[in-house]
Amino acid sequence: SQQGEEDPQALSIQEGENATMNCSYKTSINNLQWYRQNSGRGLVHLILIRSNEREKHSGRLRVTLDTSKKSSSLLITASRAADTASYFCATETNTGKLIFGQGTTLQVKP
Amino acid sequence: DAGITQSPRHKVTETGTPVTLRCHQTENHRYMYWYRQDPGHGLRLIHYSYGVKDTDKGEVSDGYSVSRSKTEDFLLTLESATSSQTSVYFCAISDPSGRGETQYFGPGTRLLVL
Repeated sequence: SQQGEEDPQALSIQEGENATMNCSYKTSINNLQWYRQNSGRGLVHLILIRSNEREKHSGRLRVTLDTSKKSSSLLITASRAADTASYFCATETNTGKLIFGQGTTLQVKP
Repeated sequence: DAGITQSPRHKVTETGTPVTLRCHQTENHRYMYWYRQDPGHGLRLIHYSYGVKDTDKGEVSDGYSVSRSKTEDFLLTLESATSSQTSVYFCAISDPSGRGETQYFGPGTRLLVL
């Protein structure tokens, strides 16, 4: 079974709007990471948040982590057509391996 | 992109034939991983390596073997390909000793087993 579950599975917004995607997980983690995958390409790391952190920013990205609820959210502000991609959360547990969720497909319409 | 290449990028093969996929890195990273990506399953770890000749199984290792004889190369072998191994295969690298746990991914190999 998957450690990370993303919600929603698909999201369609207009350019300029904010996009929020959520990730829930089951076991304790060392960190949680978000990756982006453009169609037909490999995954690209976006941001890492450690288990003792609650919020992190990187450019237009804002990630929150609530370890009590075992959940994280990724907010992309002022979205652009180039943000169209699939977004995956991945959790690193004490095994040191990453476990990926199934992803959220984001479409940003011009 | 990090210096990771995968070969071949596309392959069509028949059931029962052996297949080897290659991952090559120029980053001198210690850890290397093989994942498969299938609709509805996200990415699942097949095998990983934590050094030359040091490998271990992941979540979906049945039917796959790996070898790492040099730091830069990590080979994934399907001894006798089956249709259920039709997938997109991604190699990734990381270097937890100094730079955190971020993984860097190759471009992927699309494998079709007929």
